[in-house]
Amino acid sequence: GAGVSQTPSNKVTEKGKYVELRCDPISGHTALYWYRQSLGQGPEFLIYFQGTGAADDSGLPNDRFFAVRPEGSVSTLKIQRTERGDSAVYLCASSSRGGEGLNIQYFGAGTRLSVL
Amino acid sequence: GIQVEQSPPDLILQEGANSTLRCNFSDSVNNLQWFHQNPWGQLINLFYIPSGTKQNGRLSATTVATERYSLLYISSSQTTDSGVYFCAVALGGGADGLTFGKGTHLIIQP
Repeated sequence: GAGVSQTPSNKVTEKGKYVELRCDPISGHTALYWYRQSLGQGPEFLIYFQGTGAADDSGLPNDRFFAVRPEGSVSTLKIQRTERGDSAVYLCASSSRGGEGLNIQYFGAGTRLSVL
Repeated sequence: GIQVEQSPPDLILQEGANSTLRCNFSDSVNNLQWFHQNPWGQLINLFYIPSGTKQNGRLSATTVATERYSLLYISSSQTTDSGVYFCAVALGGGADGLTFGKGTHLIIQP
């Protein structure tokens, strides 16, 4: 597609449930990033993939959060045993390989997660 | 980790006015991007500018890497410029997660 696509756009779940959020990066982009944005704050880095492997997962808040990118394209962010504090907008970004292109991140519209 | 401070936090201007938004960062960076988050939440790339000066229409940006700050200039503001402007940086030269400031919330009144 032309841009980064995230689904669903909105997700409402109950405390304790499991959720999956999907990100489809810009075609050909090798790097993929997940961020979380709480109300009134800037996005916070969670994890980034270079190809299929997680190159840096230092931003994941705890072991309830996990992300995969099995074929080096689409990625899924998985949250187990959701808590009300997980409510936020989850943003995905991608960047292309090589030179300056590797550094410029393009963002999707986000998934708004509400944990009741 | 690296700290990013943006000022002012809020700015209200009349249509046609000019503005300067500032971003200070605590360490040397190899990546600095300015984004505009529109009222629907979409982050729109404005500039990739780890150093130097760039211009795009009514917008321009300058980063003085040795002094650890960047400025975003908006001239002849329009109501569509309203939203939150974020500065984001990374230390590494390759693909690294960005550290964002808290943003400047800009409101342009007609």
